[in-house]
Amino acid sequence: KAGVTQTPRYLIKTRGQQVTLSCSPISGHRSVSWYQQTPGQGLQFLFEYFSETQRNKGNFPGRFSGRQFSNSRSEMNVSTLELGDSALYLCASSLGVPYLNSPLHFGNGTRLTVT
Amino acid sequence: DQQVKQNSPSLSVQEGRISILNCDYTNSMFDYFLWYKKYPAEGPTFLISISSIKDKNEDGRFTVFLNKSAKHLSLHIVPSQPGDSAVYFCAAARGNQGAQKLVFGQGTRLTINP
Repeated sequence: KAGVTQTPRYLIKTRGQQVTLSCSPISGHRSVSWYQQTPGQGLQFLFEYFSETQRNKGNFPGRFSGRQFSNSRSEMNVSTLELGDSALYLCASSLGVPYLNSPLHFGNGTRLTVT
Repeated sequence: DQQVKQNSPSLSVQEGRISILNCDYTNSMFDYFLWYKKYPAEGPTFLISISSIKDKNEDGRFTVFLNKSAKHLSLHIVPSQPGDSAVYFCAAARGNQGAQKLVFGQGTRLTINP
């Protein structure tokens, strides 16, 4: 069974630009979550989508948005990039059943560098 | 406000011995806890989990212990192997939000010495 696939692996953008990251979940998984990993803040929850609806949201500004398609694939968008947005962005998928036997499975991430 | 804390940034253990990684949490609403392992340039990999109705869960060489009164959990790896060298994250979730919204600790880098 293929794992969670994230594209691209690496991205370099300039301040003020916008970026779109893509995530394909494990087949059969209906929940997709996004996390930001930085050296200072660790892994922080961005948002979660289930059946094309945002079900949970973290404490990030409105510049961070996402969506999920009918095939469960998800995209994350960051507009008006700032230097502090440089991070590893991780996508994770799960069956979506509240906690029992439904751990998150992570992709290898997209490394975003903002210059 | 760091709701999940891993106070040891690093730990070094000899091969074959027991590795004990610790994690503390402050939010009493957390009722599901997980451990993840992360190698460089890869995403975190799920290791083991425990719900608050239990105080111990075992899977092969990995055992997680939960002490709810102390708001403390630990991961024991016995015996430790060189391939266990990685960064370990503990994470917590509230049941009504599911494990899809995890709060992670800062991680502990475990090094297994031959």
